[in-house]
Amino acid sequence: AQKVTQAQTEISVVEKEDVTLDCVYETRDTTYYLFWYKQPPSGELVFLIRRNSFDEQNEISGRYSWNFQKSTSSFNFTITASQVVDSAVYFCALSGDFPNFGNEKLTFGTGTRLTIIP
Amino acid sequence: DAMVIQNPRYQVTQFGKPVTLSCSQTLNHNVMYWYQQKSSQAPKLLFHYYDKDFNNEADTPDNFQSRRPNTSFCFLDIRSPGLGDAAMYLCATSRDQAGSYNEQFFGPGTRLTVL
Repeated sequence: AQKVTQAQTEISVVEKEDVTLDCVYETRDTTYYLFWYKQPPSGELVFLIRRNSFDEQNEISGRYSWNFQKSTSSFNFTITASQVVDSAVYFCALSGDFPNFGNEKLTFGTGTRLTIIP
Repeated sequence: DAMVIQNPRYQVTQFGKPVTLSCSQTLNHNVMYWYQQKSSQAPKLLFHYYDKDFNNEADTPDNFQSRRPNTSFCFLDIRSPGLGDAAMYLCATSRDQAGSYNEQFFGPGTRLTVL
């Protein structure tokens, strides 16, 4: 069975501070995919990143960066120089291998509510 | 722009009164999903369609049904809504293409209130 744990329920930081959101996963699949989604108050899930299990390179996109470590089964997300617009709930998610349809179902963590204080 | 559309964005129904939520897509994706997301919880998959093939999650209550009359549209029917069915309902689509990962694209959701 797949499981995603986001231990941080809520985080508040002052604007311009850096913040890291933690994600730990469990899976028996040898090939899998990890995701981060942002859910602003409007409700829509916004895709941020996908990482497959064979690619452990860290990725940076503007103020966002992701640290994938298979050894600790973690896929952490860092926002540098946070802004008020970053306030949202952030979900980490996991899916299985393709092309076996059905394994692409997403298993979500419980989310971390991030509040950026002006 | 190609997208996933959900109507209405907000739906109010009465306890026990059937309600239908709709989802449409202009992406021409062959897979459509329905998720239920209760307050402060993660989205939970209810069922999905692979083309016309319906796939129900084992723990999805019988009170929830779905229809997909064509590629573009998918409906979620709640036959007798209870107070515990109040939630955000998210529709998503993906394109099943061999040899590549098939990302899910989400609609804005319909927030259901049960009175």
